[in-house]
Amino acid sequence: SQQGEEDPQALSIQEGENATMNCSYKTSINNLQWYRQNSGRGLVHLILIRSNEREKHSGRLRVTLDTSKKSSSLLITASRAADTASYFCATDAIAGKSTFGDGTTLTVKP
Amino acid sequence: DTAVSQTPKYLVTQMGNDKSIKCEQNLGHDTMYWYKQDSKKFLKIMFSYNNKELIINETVPNRFSPKSPDKAHLNLHINSLELGDSAVYFCASSRRGGQDEQYFGPGTRLTVT
Repeated sequence: SQQGEEDPQALSIQEGENATMNCSYKTSINNLQWYRQNSGRGLVHLILIRSNEREKHSGRLRVTLDTSKKSSSLLITASRAADTASYFCATDAIAGKSTFGDGTTLTVKP
Repeated sequence: DTAVSQTPKYLVTQMGNDKSIKCEQNLGHDTMYWYKQDSKKFLKIMFSYNNKELIINETVPNRFSPKSPDKAHLNLHINSLELGDSAVYFCASSRRGGQDEQYFGPGTRLTVT
């Protein structure tokens, strides 16, 4: 079964609002990564957070990691129409192998 | 300059045919991957190579055979194509396996009729 599960499956918000998506996983990890996929494109890496980190920021992105709950969240602040995409978390419970979640489809309405 | 490139972008073929997808990365990375993404966007790793050596081989039918002629290339050959092989196949690379961010190619949309 998938290591990562994302919630919600789909999210629709207005431009300017914040978007929060969550990722839960099952086994211990070394790091967790978030990726974005625009329609018809490959995945683009957004941010990596290591198991000994609790929070990380990159521009309008904020990622948290709670290893005790085996969960992570991605917050996009002040969303823009260009943020419309699918967002995936990936964990590396097994060395050399990243396991991707099912993804959250975000729609930002102008 | 494209970091990870794949060819072809689209591939339409009939059941039973054999086809190949090529992947090249110009990032100097050691590790390359093949992923399959189905119609529900579920992304699953198929293979991973590190310095031309196979390190991950998931439960994939042996009709799928990866080949890495050098560190910068990882090709995927598929024999006896089936309807269920229809998907988008992504190549990716990373500096080191699993610990680093992966750079994805644009994908190859395979349609088997």
